[in-house]
Amino acid sequence: GQQVMQIPQYQHVQEGEDFTTYCNSSTTLSNIQWYKQRPGGHPVFLIQLVKSGEVKKQKRLTFQFGEAKKNSSLHITATQTTDVGTYFCAGPDYGGSQGNLIFGKGTKLSVKP
Amino acid sequence: EADIYQTPRYLVIGTGKKITLECSQTMGHDKMYWYQQDPGMELHLIHYSYGVNSTEKGDLSSESTVSRIRTEHFPLTLESARPSHTSQYLCASSVWGNYGYTFGSGTRLTVV
Repeated sequence: GQQVMQIPQYQHVQEGEDFTTYCNSSTTLSNIQWYKQRPGGHPVFLIQLVKSGEVKKQKRLTFQFGEAKKNSSLHITATQTTDVGTYFCAGPDYGGSQGNLIFGKGTKLSVKP
Repeated sequence: EADIYQTPRYLVIGTGKKITLECSQTMGHDKMYWYQQDPGMELHLIHYSYGVNSTEKGDLSSESTVSRIRTEHFPLTLESARPSHTSQYLCASSVWGNYGYTFGSGTRLTVV
């Protein structure tokens, strides 16, 4: 069945280092979304990418959608302790569930001050 | 300001008890979802609804049931809680189309 895979599962960085998480889909996606979940919190929608090759920035966060619309990345420049959390990507489910999202398993980021 | 509300925030309950987790949203969203998640781990879809009187089971087999009598309300019920039900339960909603989900703050359930 359709899958959305994320790597790495865990990432430990020193504050100030950059961080990247990658998302790969088994099928071409019409869009991809990214969410952040702080420890003890709930997922919060960050952004949606729709166009092939699209790049969007939110302050230190850069989101990219691949040309084939099957992969995406989230890059954080100069991480801060406030970036700690789990980052999930999600794409539409083209199976029987009428467009529910399929979430990746997430990348858990820890930042050492 | 939360537009989707879950209660209770924390619940500790004995084995065999019946419980209902509440979820309400004020955004008029037709689509609503229940996810089960161990802290910071994978999200498992257990139920979803596309509108009033519409409920479907998700990918993860669950012993819970849901109802959708009103657009804004999507409660989840466990008829007989077991320790294996200990987890965080997240409610979410969205509009039709490819738009982001809004999640509630979750209910952390512990069954002892």
